[in-house]
Amino acid sequence: QSALTQPASVSGSPGQSITISCTGTSSDVGNYNFVSWYQQHPGKAPKLMIYEGNKRPSGVSSRFSGSKSGSTASLTISGLQAEDEADYYCCSYATSSTLLFGGGTKLTVL
Amino acid sequence: EVQLVESGGGLVQPGGSLRLSCAASGFTFSSYSMTWVRQAPGKGLEWLSYISYTTSGSSSVHYADSVRGRFTISRDNAKNSLYLQMNSLRAEDTAVYYCARGLLGYGLYYFDSWGQGTLVTVSS
Repeated sequence: QSALTQPASVSGSPGQSITISCTGTSSDVGNYNFVSWYQQHPGKAPKLMIYEGNKRPSGVSSRFSGSKSGSTASLTISGLQAEDEADYYCCSYATSSTLLFGGGTKLTVL
Repeated sequence: EVQLVESGGGLVQPGGSLRLSCAASGFTFSSYSMTWVRQAPGKGLEWLSYISYTTSGSSSVHYADSVRGRFTISRDNAKNSLYLQMNSLRAEDTAVYYCARGLLGYGLYYFDSWGQGTLVTVSS
């Protein structure tokens, strides 16, 4: 199973909105609604930001939102802030009770 | 406060074995599924293995293809601990290994608490 496809990097200015895509196949993103997004700052553990496609755990800012269309999931961050600069990983349930992560996207806040 | 603390990492020769531990506290360990995820230096996250919470004395387990047959996940609810037995280690297993807690009610799919990770280096 190959990793989900994410852009290597995205950037935006403070206050702007950005969207990170995550493309899979009919064996993962396209066939299941079990998509999540994790934020990881350098040297830190990942943090769950979005689950079940568009739900936020307690404590996660409403500036973070998720969506899915076909085999592509997306994470949108609105009102970009300096603290949002981090790596972001999508993750999807896949066939045979396994999970797949995306390759990760480095977000730079200009 | 939920805490997950990994240990057992270190330097091991190719073909060798290592057992990682994850000590859990701050929550009812037996009621949660757990997972192991690794991250090679400068690379992305890779899911490795999952173990369900214990019902009727047993747990279900799942593995990624890359480690199936070489790694074994287990848990000891009496000790609030998760383990990963790693055999036949290869250079490509070099990574930081994280344990993570499954989001309650969502089993295998999402992980809401993570440890700080333990580094495993496979090299001669």
